[in-house]
Amino acid sequence: EVQMVESGGGSVQPGGSLRLSCTASGFTFSNYWMNWVRQAPGEGLVWVSFINSDGGRTGHADSVNGRFTVSRDNAKNTLYLQMNSLRAEDTAIYYCVRDGRDGSLFDYWGQGTLVTVSS
Amino acid sequence: DVVMTQSPLSLSVTLGQPASISCRSSQGLVYSDGDIYLNWFQQRPGQSPRRLIYKVSNRDSGVPDRFSGSGSGTDFTLKISRVEAEDVGVYYCMQGTHWPRTFGQGTNVEIK
Repeated sequence: EVQMVESGGGSVQPGGSLRLSCTASGFTFSNYWMNWVRQAPGEGLVWVSFINSDGGRTGHADSVNGRFTVSRDNAKNTLYLQMNSLRAEDTAIYYCVRDGRDGSLFDYWGQGTLVTVSS
Repeated sequence: DVVMTQSPLSLSVTLGQPASISCRSSQGLVYSDGDIYLNWFQQRPGQSPRRLIYKVSNRDSGVPDRFSGSGSGTDFTLKISRVEAEDVGVYYCMQGTHWPRTFGQGTNVEIK
């Protein structure tokens, strides 16, 4: 069974940092592109970052570019999101999302981890 | 960025009746490989999103056949043939043809 479990969320002051993790199981993690998608309280879904299967290619939304960095450790089946210079508008649930094979995008989602940025 | 516009934003449906959600993109969604990367997701209250439909009309495993997707060019539709109580939630379309990947605003489906 495909599973992704996010962790690392919590409360942080503006300007602070957090590192989110997503541990995957039930599939060969190293074969799949992965994404982070966030959802502010009561709001819609917003794509944040992607990383290809070997970690050699990444992309970030303009709103987080230069502040957030996505990475992965295929030996540990884990996806990361390093978040620096956090702002109040980064407050959201962060979901780890897999891209399936053959262009089957966003096929599996984790349960999410909540990040709250507040003074 | 490609803007995805859903309508309506809210839908109140009688049990057993059909429902339809429209999603319009600001640009065409045909990728260079000929595929259209348009997905539909359901988010039930308090849950993570779940994919229902990928590449316009392909239903995911375990998704009831009362859900169907269609469309071409810039206009796409999710239809529920007979709404059941478990269909309550917010539905999102998403395009993956162009970077960044973008979602519609969401359509809240409730039972009348």
